[in-house]
Amino acid sequence: GAGVSQSPSNKVTEKGKDVELRCDPISGHTALYWYRQSLGQGLEFLIYFQGNSAPDKSGLPSDRFSAERTGGSVSTLTIQRTQQEDSAVYLCASSLDWVTGELFFGEGSRLTVL
Amino acid sequence: GESVGLHLPTLSVQEGDNSIINCAYSNSASDYFIWYKQESGKGPQFIIDIRSNMDKRQGQRVTVLLNKTVKHLSLQIAATQPGDSAVYFCAERTSGSRLTFGEGTQLTVNP
Repeated sequence: GAGVSQSPSNKVTEKGKDVELRCDPISGHTALYWYRQSLGQGLEFLIYFQGNSAPDKSGLPSDRFSAERTGGSVSTLTIQRTQQEDSAVYLCASSLDWVTGELFFGEGSRLTVL
Repeated sequence: GESVGLHLPTLSVQEGDNSIINCAYSNSASDYFIWYKQESGKGPQFIIDIRSNMDKRQGQRVTVLLNKTVKHLSLQIAATQPGDSAVYFCAERTSGSRLTFGEGTQLTVNP
């Protein structure tokens, strides 16, 4: 597609369950970001991938969070043993490279942990 | 720690007026700044950027001003329209490519 695609758009899960969120970046974009946005809040950086370099995982809030990017394209954010405080919108963004700050965001995946 | 913040959480203007949204940053090493607009239920959308070697940059109806002396960034929107109603975020980049976003300002344009 022409833009960043995220799935699922909405996910409701029970506390303790694992969830996977998927991001398809814009074709040709080498940089991919994950951010988290709680209701009415700003964007919290989670993780960043750039080409074949080691990802910047410094924003991951705990070891329950992990992400991978296969083949330099699709990325999956995994949250294990979800907790209620994980409820938020998870936004994925891609950019042509690390130089530009023009990130193209997806619509986000809204996660609700009951 | 390093942070990007906003002076006002909300701003209400009349249609046709000019809007000014402010942002303070704390890291003097930041070399690149960006403004994003986020409409309800959507992801943020790039508006305009500015590098630290500039103090002003203009786009279509928008102007970004950078004052490195007081670490202040502002976004000016000319002739504000109802479609400009959204949350506006500033973001800064220091070393590498990690962008740090501020808390956001809700702009409401009254007809």
